[in-house]
Amino acid sequence: DAGVTQSPTHLIKTRGQQVTLRCSPKSGHDTVSWYQQALGQGPQFIFQYYEEEERQRGNFPDRFSGHQFPNYSSELNVNALLLGDSALYLCASSLEPGGRKTFFGQGTRLTVV
Amino acid sequence: EDQVTQSPEALRLQEGESSSLNCSYTVSGLRGLFWYRQDPGKGPEFLFTLYSAGEEKEKERLKATLTKKESFLHITAPKPEDSATYLCAVLPSNTGKLIFGQGTTLQVKP
Repeated sequence: DAGVTQSPTHLIKTRGQQVTLRCSPKSGHDTVSWYQQALGQGPQFIFQYYEEEERQRGNFPDRFSGHQFPNYSSELNVNALLLGDSALYLCASSLEPGGRKTFFGQGTRLTVV
Repeated sequence: EDQVTQSPEALRLQEGESSSLNCSYTVSGLRGLFWYRQDPGKGPEFLFTLYSAGEEKEKERLKATLTKKESFLHITAPKPEDSATYLCAVLPSNTGKLIFGQGTTLQVKP
């Protein structure tokens, strides 16, 4: 079992650019959530996808958007990047939206310069 | 408002010196309380889910307990490889999102 996989592992972008991060959930899981983790802080919920729809959203602007594909994999898109978007972006998967066992990927480190 | 507070922020122990990490929470209905271990630059690694007050779970040198207001992660005779940040999170019953504390960074010296 490969667990939750994310790509790329590291990324450097310039202010104003757009970025796409990718996630494949753990085998058998159908729900994907995205979190942002700033240095020294706990992860903050961005949104959750289930059945190819955004089911819940945290307190993030519309510049953050996502997608879930029929094979349950997911993308996180961030437009008009700001310096403050620099963070570790984590993908988590679970079996159903309220799943009691949620597993995380290794994260994508995004640096905006 | 649902909230999680972890203490202490940082903890230094000598190898073999047992201690406890605290996670206090307020939540409108608890579906589960999670503990994760996170190494620098890596994603959180799942340790335990606790579901109801009085429940306990163990894994190697770690034991997690849960009350109605807080959870403790007890570390018995820690080793240097236990050094990491330990994250606590709650899953409210009316939502699918985890709410995390800021974490406790544990350093175990040989």
